Amino acid sequence: GIQVEQSPPDLILQEGANSTLRCNFSDSVNNLQWFHQNPWGQLINLFYIPSGTKQNGRLSATTVATERYSLLYISSSQTTDSGVYFCAGTGGFQKLVFGTGTRLLVSP
Amino acid sequence: DAGVTQSPTHLIKTRGQQVTLRCSPKSGHDTVSWYQQALGQGPQFIFQYYEEEERQRGNFPDRFSGHQFPNYSSELNVNALLLGDSALYLCASSLVGRGGEGFFGQGTRLTVV
Repeated sequence: GIQVEQSPPDLILQEGANSTLRCNFSDSVNNLQWFHQNPWGQLINLFYIPSGTKQNGRLSATTVATERYSLLYISSSQTTDSGVYFCAGTGGFQKLVFGTGTRLLVSP
Repeated sequence: DAGVTQSPTHLIKTRGQQVTLRCSPKSGHDTVSWYQQALGQGPQFIFQYYEEEERQRGNFPDRFSGHQFPNYSSELNVNALLLGDSALYLCASSLVGRGGEGFFGQGTRLTVV
């Protein structure tokens, strides 16, 4: 079955710092998404990135499908970036399998 | 363009009762999936509905059941509630043939007392 692992589990940053979150996934994953879960529980779509690199403002993501990993970069972090970041992979039937998440705290 | 909407946002039920949660998918989407997220964990897949049928199911007991209506909206029913069913229930919608990109509602927080 699909397996997704994330690291690090926890990350504490000062405002303005940069960070890299990693997601490793198994062979059966065809597509990968990154989400940010806000304090109210909603999962916000960040990237749908089966392969390649995408950027959206201060966030960017790279997926190297042949090596089964994806990276999420956060630059010039802000306190509003705090929360839990999940990556999730899909195989057949669009079922999402989530990693355990990276809990990010950005302090002022 | 409305995103995924779920109702209610919060719910408190007593052990042994039954509960129904509702989800309206993003406009143009035809597939609805339900997830359970316990505190401090990642969401776990419950089941998925497409063309009004359950297409795939995760490792959840039969107490969890669902339905999809012709307008693609969906319900999640949980019978004989247990304290361990307390969780955030998330609904995701997607479009068949688009590789599984899911969009989530704000969730329903269920507390069983």
